[in-house]
Amino acid sequence: EDQVTQSPEALRLQEGESSSLNCSYTVSGLRGLFWYRQDPGKGPEFLFTLYSAGEEKEKERLKATLTKKESFLHITAPKPEDSATYLCAVQAGLLGQNFVFGPGTRLSVLP
Amino acid sequence: DTEVTQTPKHLVMGMTNKKSLKCEQHMGHRAMYWYKQKAKKPPELMFVYSYEKLSINESVPSRFSPECPNSSLLNLHLHALQPEDSALYLCASSHSGDRGRMDYGYTFGSGTRLTVV
Repeated sequence: EDQVTQSPEALRLQEGESSSLNCSYTVSGLRGLFWYRQDPGKGPEFLFTLYSAGEEKEKERLKATLTKKESFLHITAPKPEDSATYLCAVQAGLLGQNFVFGPGTRLSVLP
Repeated sequence: DTEVTQTPKHLVMGMTNKKSLKCEQHMGHRAMYWYKQKAKKPPELMFVYSYEKLSINESVPSRFSPECPNSSLLNLHLHALQPEDSALYLCASSHSGDRGRMDYGYTFGSGTRLTVV
């Protein structure tokens, strides 16, 4: 069974304090790993897709990396507006029909 | 147009009511999805439509009835819901299949906040 876990469940950072969020996965036939940001009461907002181990992508203060078992979302010098829930999801299966979200990490960045 | 539009944004309905949620996209995506999300939980897949045909139904109760009238529209018909069905209902769309076209993942709407009283 395809599974996705994320840690920590919640994270409080001071503005400018860099950190990393973890997404661990167990799937058969990974077709893609996705990172989303979700603000309260809103739909998830797409951040990155990663396809293979060793791949990295960056966007502003965010950098996502992928290994064979996990992905990290590195946040460099975060600002209060980075506060949100960060969701990891994997697409797997022969036809890519399995799309599983992790439970998310709630990030709070304090000024 | 790079958006998924959901209406209404908020809905309060009684347990005997019939209502519908609507979702629209004009990005040429041929896969569309309904998700249910409870507070502080990740989205849970309900239904998948691929090329206007229902391809996945994640054992959702029959009081939820999806409909895909065309490639741009997705509806979710609601009847005789229970208070525990109160949640944020999210619609999403994507290109189906091939890897290169998943570079932008799934595009989600802002959701309909449903309250069943």
